[in-house]
Amino acid sequence: DQQVKQNSPSLSVQEGRISILNCDYTNSMFDYFLWYKKYPAEGPTFLISISSIKDKNEDGRFTVFLNKSAKHLSLHIVPSQPGDSAVYFCAATLPGSRKLIWGLGTSLAVNP
Amino acid sequence: DAGVTQSPTHLIKTRGQQVTLRCSPISGHKSVSWYQQVLGQGPQFIFQYYEKEERGRGNFPDRFSARQFPNYSSELNVNALLLGDSALYLCASSPGGGLRNQPQHFGDGTRLSIL
Repeated sequence: DQQVKQNSPSLSVQEGRISILNCDYTNSMFDYFLWYKKYPAEGPTFLISISSIKDKNEDGRFTVFLNKSAKHLSLHIVPSQPGDSAVYFCAATLPGSRKLIWGLGTSLAVNP
Repeated sequence: DAGVTQSPTHLIKTRGQQVTLRCSPISGHKSVSWYQQVLGQGPQFIFQYYEKEERGRGNFPDRFSARQFPNYSSELNVNALLLGDSALYLCASSPGGGLRNQPQHFGDGTRLSIL
């Protein structure tokens, strides 16, 4: 039972345009969400996070939006760069929990 | 500063054998978590250790065990290996035991293949 879902296995965008990666979740008790980026043969790298008490968090080119009523979050990358090409994972955690629950990932390709 | 280091990088074992994977956290980090990532899926939480004590356990059988040493490094042991244990094993460290406002830093993983 996949509690964190990334329904698009892959996404391709042009350099300089916006990349929008989507994530849906089923457990309304999740209270903290994170995005990680993973290059081949490397471990995941933390990008940005958001608490459930907020609906937006921004860090440079990366913005995460949270829609609690829809149980949906999205990661916006503006402008997209070829170096952003990687697999992006959405993860969530419950209050007091020690573990992250991950989606299956979306492979982003940014074309020059 | 060195990041999270894991050893070995690759390992090949046969069914029924036992394996030990090692992880050294970032200096000053006291928490280590282990994850299993099967090809095409997201990481699955196995264990978290903080201050040398187990603080969290995922849905893995008792064949999986771990420990954390006084220098905060950690070992993951898997006994009686099965073909389904073939995966990338990731170690992550963080300063404290919580997950909020102190994101986990991951090593590059150990690729375990079971023949």
